[in-house]
Amino acid sequence: EAQVTQNPRYLITVTGKKLTVTCSQNMNHEYMSWYRQDPGLGLRQIYYSMNVEVTDKGDVPEGYKVSRKEKRNFPLILESPSPNQTSLYFCASSPGTDSNQPQHFGDGTRLSIL
Amino acid sequence: GDSVTQMEGPVTLSEEAFLTINCTYTATGYPSLFWYVQYPGEGLQLLLKATKADDKGSNKGFEATYRKETTSFHLEKGSVQVSDSAVYFCALNTNAGKSTFGDGTTLTVKP
Repeated sequence: EAQVTQNPRYLITVTGKKLTVTCSQNMNHEYMSWYRQDPGLGLRQIYYSMNVEVTDKGDVPEGYKVSRKEKRNFPLILESPSPNQTSLYFCASSPGTDSNQPQHFGDGTRLSIL
Repeated sequence: GDSVTQMEGPVTLSEEAFLTINCTYTATGYPSLFWYVQYPGEGLQLLLKATKADDKGSNKGFEATYRKETTSFHLEKGSVQVSDSAVYFCALNTNAGKSTFGDGTTLTVKP
């Protein structure tokens, strides 16, 4: 089944403890992206990647890192999480980098930073 | 920068009522436009898209037309069902890889 898989789905952790949210897609998609969803703010793009070893900042990249060493994986790294990063996070992918490509979303990761 | 503005929610309708959710955008160049739907506890799913001016996207009875002159992409459905209850997001993509989403509109359809 074609899908975008995020892990973990839920995580409660403490300020300053490094964490990684994994994202993997099995559709051989070129483009991948991370978003955070907050009430009243919709989805905001954190980082995106148009190909292996190519990453770019979205609208809210502060406090996050990403890497794209393989086509299928795009992990999101919080080196020193803070409470304002408590949010619902989505990974997405699309077949190509043209603007007409819709995105396929994972089921989300709910992070709580205490 | 790019932006997407959706009508404020929540929206509550009776079954078989007509639905309109307004969406306007600002963007440089010629973006592609999308409507996504999110059911509780799930990720977003593509509902429909339009990639150039005057294109009409349609799916499952929903429609939206890309209006360049009014920079709008309003979502409509002639007769909503209880199963249409969800959060709806308007979004745009640019060729630079950036995506911009609206704040989402929560629709509740009552029997």
